[in-house]
Amino acid sequence: QITLKESGPTLVKPTQTLTLTCSFSGFSFSSTRVSVDWIRQPPGKALEWLGLVYWDDDARYSPSLKSRVTITRDTSNNQVVLTMTNMGPLDTGTYFCAHRLDYLITDWGQGTLVTVSS
Amino acid sequence: QPVLTQSSSASASLGSSVELTCTLSSGHSSYIVAWHQQQPGKAPRYLMIVEGSGNYKKGSGVPDRFSGSTSGADRRLTISNLQLEDEADYYCETWDSNTWVFGGGTKLTIL
Repeated sequence: QITLKESGPTLVKPTQTLTLTCSFSGFSFSSTRVSVDWIRQPPGKALEWLGLVYWDDDARYSPSLKSRVTITRDTSNNQVVLTMTNMGPLDTGTYFCAHRLDYLITDWGQGTLVTVSS
Repeated sequence: QPVLTQSSSASASLGSSVELTCTLSSGHSSYIVAWHQQQPGKAPRYLMIVEGSGNYKKGSGVPDRFSGSTSGADRRLTISNLQLEDEADYYCETWDSNTWVFGGGTKLTIL
């Protein structure tokens, strides 16, 4: 059974850097078919893809957020880390990590709500 | 980069059927689309992929009431014999050149 769980701060101040951790189990990150994604959802709004990291630590990002987002993996601890710089109020929302097999998200984490406010 | 267009809302009666549509932008009409369901207050759940041919493949545990189809650039999700637990937001997703994109979502209300 695949599980993913996001963790990190629930409140960050404007201009600060957000760091979230996705801890996972039930799959091996050594497979070439596997990646872990980060997706966010502002309150009451749609899902937005942020980026992903592949088994070999290669990462891809949303063009609109590429300058602010970094995603890395820690295979020894079964974790994936999202870093987002220069946070602002519009970055408030629930952040999800997800397991992707080939091209498909098959499993989602429960999400973690991050509020940006001074 | 493909764009996915979904109606913002849909409604149907308990026990009836509803068809939700996700339209691919020009030049991307052959793309595969994935559908996800998000019940109120919960994380999304993967439902199925729908190919340009009309073939679809469901995820584990997805009820038989859910099916997919294609018409041109439209990728459809049909839910039959609607149940109260089907009231949710439904998102489509596709990808191109190692980037992914979601549609704006359709909020399904069960009357």
